Amino acid sequence: GENVEQHPSTLSVQEGDSAVIKCTYSDSASNYFPWYKQELGKRPQLIIDIRSNVGEKKDQRIAVTLNKTAKHFSLHITETQPEDSAVYFCAASKEGFQKLVFGTGTRLLVSP
Amino acid sequence: EAGVTQSPTHLIKTRGQQATLRCSPISGHTSVYWYQQALGLGLQFLLWYDEGEERNRGNFPPRFSGRQFPNYSSELNVNALELEDSALYLCASSLLKSPLHFGNGTRLTVT
Repeated sequence: GENVEQHPSTLSVQEGDSAVIKCTYSDSASNYFPWYKQELGKRPQLIIDIRSNVGEKKDQRIAVTLNKTAKHFSLHITETQPEDSAVYFCAASKEGFQKLVFGTGTRLLVSP
Repeated sequence: EAGVTQSPTHLIKTRGQQATLRCSPISGHTSVYWYQQALGLGLQFLLWYDEGEERNRGNFPPRFSGRQFPNYSSELNVNALELEDSALYLCASSLLKSPLHFGNGTRLTVT
């Protein structure tokens, strides 16, 4: 079955710096790749997603890139702010929104 | 609109007991998913219900079961609780062609 690896497990940056989180997936049939943000004690919330027919997608300070050949995708956060501090999860699925397989999460800490 | 609601917020059980967790999806959503989030691990897929039927299940033993009611709410049952079942259980709902929306979860502690 699908396996998603996520790195790094923790990431500390200074406010204003960029942050990059990387994920690799094993099943080449996967076609949907969302990213979720989970603040402490809160529910995971979708922040951005990308489908396999697109190489890059951007939403303000957040962007996701996908390399289907290498089977990896990355989350890029520019001009980080303290409120970006949270755990970020990547996920992959070959059945659209069904049966998402999640990475183990990256704890991002943005220091003022 | 109201989000996905889960109850109870916290649940403490002893080993061997049964736990029942409940989830109400966003109005209009027909699919409900259950995920287990153990400490230090990602979200592990448990079950997917749609239109009242179990559509798929993850790699969990049969003592994890559930159902979806006619109003699309769902229940997750965990029988013969083990210490390692302690985790945050997240419910999510969606329409078939839309992203998942998560609830705040039920924190299950098995002692």
